[in-house]
Amino acid sequence: SSELTQDPAVSVALGQTVTITCQGDGLRSFFASWHQQKPGQPPILVVYGQNHRPPGIPDRFSASNSGITATLTITGAQAEDAADYYCNSRDTTGNLWVFGGGTRVTVL
Amino acid sequence: DVQLVESGGGLVKPGESLRLSCVVSGFTFNSYAMTWVRQAPGEGLEWVSTISRSGSYIYYADSVKGRFTISRDNAKNALYLQMNSLRVEDTAVFYCVREDTNLLDFWGQGALVTVSS
Repeated sequence: SSELTQDPAVSVALGQTVTITCQGDGLRSFFASWHQQKPGQPPILVVYGQNHRPPGIPDRFSASNSGITATLTITGAQAEDAADYYCNSRDTTGNLWVFGGGTRVTVL
Repeated sequence: DVQLVESGGGLVKPGESLRLSCVVSGFTFNSYAMTWVRQAPGEGLEWVSTISRSGSYIYYADSVKGRFTISRDNAKNALYLQMNSLRVEDTAVFYCVREDTNLLDFWGQGALVTVSS
């Protein structure tokens, strides 16, 4: 299996841009997806694949992938974007799932 | 709309058993693999188990292998997780999650399982 590594926390000024990275060997073969979780709520999928958003997710959320690194970018962060963000992908076998440890985003 | 509703959580003692259920609606259940993910209090997300569309393929995290059993009833649009020999460290919110190819795309609200003496 493989692990996904995320920075524990980042902060961003209101209206500015923040990037969250996720690293893992499995990302060479499988795209990461990104899940947002606010306190007391279940996660929701915000970005997946090369750079796709489910219906209803604002276009300020975007993703990119390079080698073993996946990146989530929030362009023009809003107060409601304060949350924990988890990357997720297949492990190197392609059968199991792995999650990053999560990154807490604080909007100042 | 896609909906996943978990039930069956509760407070149990170490060594006891519990069975979680997840009833889904808004999509063709037998067209999707399904997954359980858990989250211990104040911690991150941990994949627990996955079952294929027909139930032919099943995978478990090492932390639950031999103690938990995943199953599904496609006629009832239901996913299950039988949890035996529960430990204090199994205390978590358990989420039922739909899997679409290489993507976990819809999450239930979660069921809290507390294991304490």
